[in-house]
Amino acid sequence: IAGITQAPTSQILAAGRRMTLRCTQDMRHNAMYWYRQDLGLGLRLIHYSNTAGTTGKGEVPDGYSVSRANTDDFPLTLASAVPSQTSVYFCASSDSRGGYNEQFFGPGTRLTVL
Amino acid sequence: QKEVEQDPGPLSVPEGAIVSLNCTYSNSAFQYFMWYRQYSRKGPELLMYTYSSGNKEDGRFTAQVDKSSKYISLFIRDSQPSDSATYLCAMRQGDRLAFGKGNQVVVIP
Repeated sequence: IAGITQAPTSQILAAGRRMTLRCTQDMRHNAMYWYRQDLGLGLRLIHYSNTAGTTGKGEVPDGYSVSRANTDDFPLTLASAVPSQTSVYFCASSDSRGGYNEQFFGPGTRLTVL
Repeated sequence: QKEVEQDPGPLSVPEGAIVSLNCTYSNSAFQYFMWYRQYSRKGPELLMYTYSSGNKEDGRFTAQVDKSSKYISLFIRDSQPSDSATYLCAMRQGDRLAFGKGNQVVVIP
């Protein structure tokens, strides 16, 4: 079944640890995105990539980094996790080259930083 | 002021009622207007999209856009318990989407 997979489903992490959230899509979409979703704040864009080899900063990029080595994978790394990074993280992808840019979302990763 | 405003207050309605949700926006450059639905512990999924001012219907759902007032709405007729979810408005500008905060809707049987 085509779509987006994210791993892990959930994680509890000690503050200061490094963590990589994985995201893979099999729809050959050019664009990929990372969002965090917090109660009362909605979805906020962390980083995005319009094509393999390029990345850009979103609304809340501090403390996060991404890479886009190929079309399918878009990992998100927290170099040194802090409790304020406790959130639900969603990866999304789209064919952003025209139209309404429907974004397809993965199932999310629930991250708790203690 | 955020580009997209959506009052995030929860909404509880009895089964069969009409649900009315809305968003306002400030950026005239927004081109496409969308509504996403998100079930609990799932990712959002596109429900409807519109491009121009006016109404668009899809079954029990109607999306309305008023570009002159920078206002969009979603109406759910004959609401069902299966409509219980969070509804997020979203608007396209260039390569990105700007999302509202979402409204949690609970339809009570």
